[in-house]
Amino acid sequence: DVKVTQSSRYLVKRTGEKVFLECVQDMDHENMFWYRQDPGLGLRLIYFSYDVKMKEKGDIPEGYSVSREKKERFSLILESASTNQTSMYLCASRTGTGSPDTEAFFGQGTRLTVV
Amino acid sequence: DQQVKQNSPSLSVQEGRISILNCDYTNSMFDYFLWYKKYPAEGPTFLISISSIKDKNEDGRFTVFLNKSAKHLSLHIVPSQPGDSAVYFCAASAKTGANNLFFGTGTRLTVIP
Repeated sequence: DVKVTQSSRYLVKRTGEKVFLECVQDMDHENMFWYRQDPGLGLRLIYFSYDVKMKEKGDIPEGYSVSREKKERFSLILESASTNQTSMYLCASRTGTGSPDTEAFFGQGTRLTVV
Repeated sequence: DQQVKQNSPSLSVQEGRISILNCDYTNSMFDYFLWYKKYPAEGPTFLISISSIKDKNEDGRFTVFLNKSAKHLSLHIVPSQPGDSAVYFCAASAKTGANNLFFGTGTRLTVIP
C-alpha cells in the first residue's frame, strides 16, 4: 500500500520561529510537492521537486524554502513563521515524466497554527 | 491566475439523487484530469481520472465527463450517499513542462439523508 507520511498532524508555533515540516514517501517517486490549503483558495503549490537536490518554485514560495537530500524525503521550511502562514500543509508525491497519466498521492496533512 | 476553476463552492443533494460537480480549465495544454475527495483534517484521496483522449470514464458510482472544446469536465455521483459528503477538488496536468497538478478551489458536497 502506497504511503506518504507527514511528520506531524498538528503543530503550534510562535511568530518568528523556524519551522520544519517533514514528508516521506515509500513509492520511489521522482516528484514531490508541498501545497497549502486555505478556505476558498483550494490547494496552492508552494514548491516542488522533480529529483534529489532539485527544486522549483510554485505559486506561493515567499516565506518558504525546501530541501530534498534523499529521494524519499521532502522538507518544507518556514524560515520565520508568521501568522499568515497558519494553514493546512499537504505533501504529495507522483511518479516521473515516464508515466504522466498518474495520480499524486497525498499525506494526511499538517495543521499549522502560528501564534 | 487560476487555471482550474470550480465555480460552485458548495452543493447539497438528497441521498439517492445524482450529484454533479463542475470544473473549467483555461490551459489547452492540460491533457490529464483528476478528481480528489477530501475530508476535514485529512489529505485528499484520489477518486477518478480521465485522459484527454477520452470523453468519459466510469468507476462504479463515479463518472467523469470531459468536453475538450468547452474546456469543461464534470463529476457525476449516482446514487449519492451521505458518506460522499466532502470537499471535491478538480485537478489537471500537462505532459509537457513540470509534473505538478493544478487544483481548483474545491466544491463542498453535502448529501442529505
